[in-house]
Amino acid sequence: DAGVIQSPRHEVTEMGQEVTLRCKPISGHNSLFWYRQTMMRGLELLIYFNNNVPIDDSGMPEDRFSAKMPNASFSTLKIQPSEPRDSAVYFCASSPREQGNQPQHFGDGTRLSIL
Amino acid sequence: SQQGEEDPQALSIQEGENATMNCSYKTSINNLQWYRQNSGRGLVHLILIRSNEREKHSGRLRVTLDTSKKSSSLLITASRAADTASYFCATARGGIYNQGGKLIFGQGTELSVKP
Repeated sequence: DAGVIQSPRHEVTEMGQEVTLRCKPISGHNSLFWYRQTMMRGLELLIYFNNNVPIDDSGMPEDRFSAKMPNASFSTLKIQPSEPRDSAVYFCASSPREQGNQPQHFGDGTRLSIL
Repeated sequence: SQQGEEDPQALSIQEGENATMNCSYKTSINNLQWYRQNSGRGLVHLILIRSNEREKHSGRLRVTLDTSKKSSSLLITASRAADTASYFCATARGGIYNQGGKLIFGQGTELSVKP
């Protein structure tokens, strides 16, 4: 089976531009997580969904960030407008069940550079 | 503050030696998980230990959990150069704090195994 698929793998854009990151979770998984990883702050949970419904978005840095999950096989994380401090690796992960008793499966991330 | 904290931050050993990494956490947990991250890749789940378990093995990996001390250790025996990676512990809180699958990751231990 295919793992979690993220696109693009790399994104370089100028500050002020809109950035959209995409994620396709593993088929049958009903929990989806968006993380951001930086050297300074480590791995931070931004938002997660259960059955396509956002459960906890307390990690979303500010209103410039938004996430959607229109169906069970697709999610987006959007940054508008982007700023240099948003530069990081963004990971999407999925797991087969709620309640935190299952491992999370990670994509290989999107490396985002905002100039 | 951070739920899971690993030590040491970095560990360098020779091939064939054992590597031990520790993780401490602050609140009650449902389970604790260990993940590996190779450079430029997403995290890969290694092992999950539940709060009522004390020790678990998987191949060359041995994980212990001491809930009274709120700590866990990951032992990699007979290390190989291919084990070079960052290792993270992650905790899922228990009971009413379970929050539907949310994991809190530590800052990680960077392991270097020299051939």
